[in-house]
Amino acid sequence: GAGVSQSPSNKVTEKGKDVELRCDPISGHTALYWYRQSLGQGLEFLIYFQGNSAPDKSGLPSDRFSAERTGGSVSTLTIQRTQQEDSAVYLCASSRTPLSYEQYFGPGTRLTVT
Amino acid sequence: QKEVEQNSGPLSVPEGAIASLNCTYSDRGSQSFFWYRQYSGKSPELIMSIYSNGDKEDGRFTAQLNKASQYVSLLIRDSQPSDSATYLCAVNKAGTASKLTFGTGTRLQVTL
Repeated sequence: GAGVSQSPSNKVTEKGKDVELRCDPISGHTALYWYRQSLGQGLEFLIYFQGNSAPDKSGLPSDRFSAERTGGSVSTLTIQRTQQEDSAVYLCASSRTPLSYEQYFGPGTRLTVT
Repeated sequence: QKEVEQNSGPLSVPEGAIASLNCTYSDRGSQSFFWYRQYSGKSPELIMSIYSNGDKEDGRFTAQLNKASQYVSLLIRDSQPSDSATYLCAVNKAGTASKLTFGTGTRLQVTL
């Protein structure tokens, strides 16, 4: 079946602009995760959704970052007033349930803030 | 101390040899352990999961877990040039509802 999809694949934006990144999880997967991978850095957890609620937002780096999920499916990660340090690859993953543990990643969105 | 530690490499092995990748973790309550493969410019791909002490084999891959030593490893038998990638170790910490903590990865180079 189809895997996790993300859009756009690449986004270049000017410092101070807002951006929206989209994730469409594997059909039937109830848990959805956002991670960030910066050059030379490991994968950094941002936020986790179970259904439409986000029980763990502990990884969001600042209040400029927010995310929502609607219909238990598509999720949008929004970064307001982007800064150069936000440049990274933003990865979305999904798993069948939170307790299934196995997470499958989408192709990522490469964000470049100029 | 990092929560999940891996040697960054590169680990260079000749084609056909066994590649051994190691990972240690700090939280003794960790319950689930994963190995992901990441090719340059691509996203991580899940290749192995292991939940209990011992070995788990899947094709050319064997994952080994020793919770007493807080150590997990990945063996790749009959290494191929296509195995050249960065291998990420990921751990699910107890009580964190499936949030994964990743190591920074070991870069594997399989030489002809």
